[in-house]
Amino acid sequence: SQKIEQNSEALNIQEGKTATLTCNYTNYSPAYLQWYRQDPGRGPVFLLLIRENEKEKRKERLKVTFDTTLKQSLFHITASQPADSATYLCARDNTDKLIFGTGTRLQVFP
Amino acid sequence: DTAVSQTPKYLVTQMGNDKSIKCEQNLGHDTMYWYKQDSKKFLKIMFSYNNKELIINETVPNRFSPKSPDKAHLNLHINSLELGDSAVYFCASSRLGDEAFFGQGTRLTVV
Repeated sequence: SQKIEQNSEALNIQEGKTATLTCNYTNYSPAYLQWYRQDPGRGPVFLLLIRENEKEKRKERLKVTFDTTLKQSLFHITASQPADSATYLCARDNTDKLIFGTGTRLQVFP
Repeated sequence: DTAVSQTPKYLVTQMGNDKSIKCEQNLGHDTMYWYKQDSKKFLKIMFSYNNKELIINETVPNRFSPKSPDKAHLNLHINSLELGDSAVYFCASSRLGDEAFFGQGTRLTVV
């Protein structure tokens, strides 16, 4: 089966630093990976999508990379702010559905 | 306008009851999904519907049945509720291969 893993359950960083979250997948390379943000009591919200032929994608303070050799995607938040505190989920495609990782809970301290 | 709306937001019911959760999307998407998020926050796919046809049916108990009256709606019916069914259920929609839009979730508590 195609699994997707987010190694860190929680990540605590200081405001202003860059947060880096990791997502690893097994078996065949997905056509794309997606990253979502989930706040307590709410549904996941889409952030970025990166396709297998793309090495990097940016959106404001967010950056995603896709390394098919390492079977890994990295998600970076630069100049992090307390408002960035949330759970971040990566997801891979799998036969017309999205398979989600377990998420990384990011806490940014002032 | 809410893109994906599901009702109710909270549902408390007794074991053995039958309940439904409704979901509607106004995005014109052709695929809708139901996900279950357990107490450990793991988001697991349950069903997806594409053009009113069930295309994926994960290994969920047959007490759970999705019903799609039209392309914009995908309701979830649950029969004979059990304690282990307590979770947050999310409806979502997308165009295939594109970002998914999620509803606000339904917190189901079975007592």
